[in-house]
Amino acid sequence: EDQVTQSPEALRLQEGESSSLNCSYTVSGLRGLFWYRQDPGKGPEFLFTLYSAGEEKEKERLKATLTKKESFLHITAPKPEDSATYLCAVGMKTSYDKVIFGPGTSLSVIP
Amino acid sequence: GAVVSQHPSRVICKSGTSVKIECRSLDFQATTMFWYRQFPKKSLMLMATSNEGSKATYEQGVEKDKFLINHASLTLSTLTVTSAHPEDSSFYICSALPGLAGTGELFFGEGSRLTVL
Repeated sequence: EDQVTQSPEALRLQEGESSSLNCSYTVSGLRGLFWYRQDPGKGPEFLFTLYSAGEEKEKERLKATLTKKESFLHITAPKPEDSATYLCAVGMKTSYDKVIFGPGTSLSVIP
Repeated sequence: GAVVSQHPSRVICKSGTSVKIECRSLDFQATTMFWYRQFPKKSLMLMATSNEGSKATYEQGVEKDKFLINHASLTLSTLTVTSAHPEDSSFYICSALPGLAGTGELFFGEGSRLTVL
């Protein structure tokens, strides 16, 4: 069964305390892995797409990496404004319009 | 990046009335649009997938007659909540998938908060 899981469910960090969020996936064929950020009461905001194992993408304090079974979103020296829910999603090779979302990780960065 | 506009952002209605939410892709053509419902502190729950010019495909457990979806053009999809009741109160979000020339990412609207009194 195609599935996407994320851990931890929630994460509290002190400002400046780096950490990583995990996204594990089991799918029959990966077309792309996507990371989104969602603030309360808003729609998800697109962050990154990763297509193949070994690929890395960076944006400010965020870096996303991909292996054959999981992706990590590394947050370096986070700031309170990085507090949000981070969603991971997987696009399927078998069906262009099928995208499976993980449950998300709620990140809180404390000043 | 691609922009998806959703309107209205907030709507309050009386029980028994119908409410229409619009989702527009502003700078690209969306062959497929998706509608989600999100409960507080929960992840996105896919309600239906709509393709331009054809009937929407609803997820199991979603009432087709309650949530009417129309994808009339490559840039517009609408969700109508018919005969709304308080239990329909929720945050509804749409997303759009650019055509096959795109790279496969979904782009989301800002969401619509529905409150049924």
